[in-house]
Amino acid sequence: GAVVSQHPSWVICKSGTSVKIECRSLDFQATTMFWYRQFPKQSLMLMATSNEGSKATYEQGVEKDKFLINHASLTLSTLTVTSAHPEDSSFYICSARDITAYGELFFGEGSRLTVL
Amino acid sequence: GENVEQHPSTLSVQEGDSAVIKCTYSDSASNYFPWYKQELGKRPQLIIDIRSNVGEKKDQRIAVTLNKTAKHFSLHITETQPEDSAVYFCAAGEANTGNQFYFGTGTSLTVIP
Repeated sequence: GAVVSQHPSWVICKSGTSVKIECRSLDFQATTMFWYRQFPKQSLMLMATSNEGSKATYEQGVEKDKFLINHASLTLSTLTVTSAHPEDSSFYICSARDITAYGELFFGEGSRLTVL
Repeated sequence: GENVEQHPSTLSVQEGDSAVIKCTYSDSASNYFPWYKQELGKRPQLIIDIRSNVGEKKDQRIAVTLNKTAKHFSLHITETQPEDSAVYFCAAGEANTGNQFYFGTGTSLTVIP
């Protein structure tokens, strides 16, 4: 099946710094990608929909200036957590749908962010 | 918009018994219903899916049923094994599009050896 790769898997940073997470669709093109945040033992919370060549669509309550999303190509979307604080520590997962395969959704490996 | 509800939130079964997880959806436009298994610290993995033109689909010990009229679908795992222990998510969406899926809140399944 199709593969979505996410990097880095783990990142530890100091409070106040910015962290960039990359999400790549390796063998299909994705005009949209999705970014989720997941707290321990909880469901996937959709943060935003990344749209290739245009602005991301953010879910209610998600600060767009805090979580910058860029979808510069059909295979790459990035999430930048700006001025990170300990409360931003979480598991972030991206996903993309392969519309050539019935629109099956594939997830990246996830990125565990710890802000000290 | 779509609203997906999932029950139960936790489920414990003895090894060898069956497990059933149920989901309901609200938007009749949804016609594609995948199920994902997520192990601790890992990404969700697709385990089975069903489209609205089918009422049931089976893959070895896993089956999914869909009732379009009632807008509910269920995951059935037979002969459960300890390695089936994980969190399971149902989802609803439209096939052949790039639109988002709507996820249930997850079921934490524990299979007791």
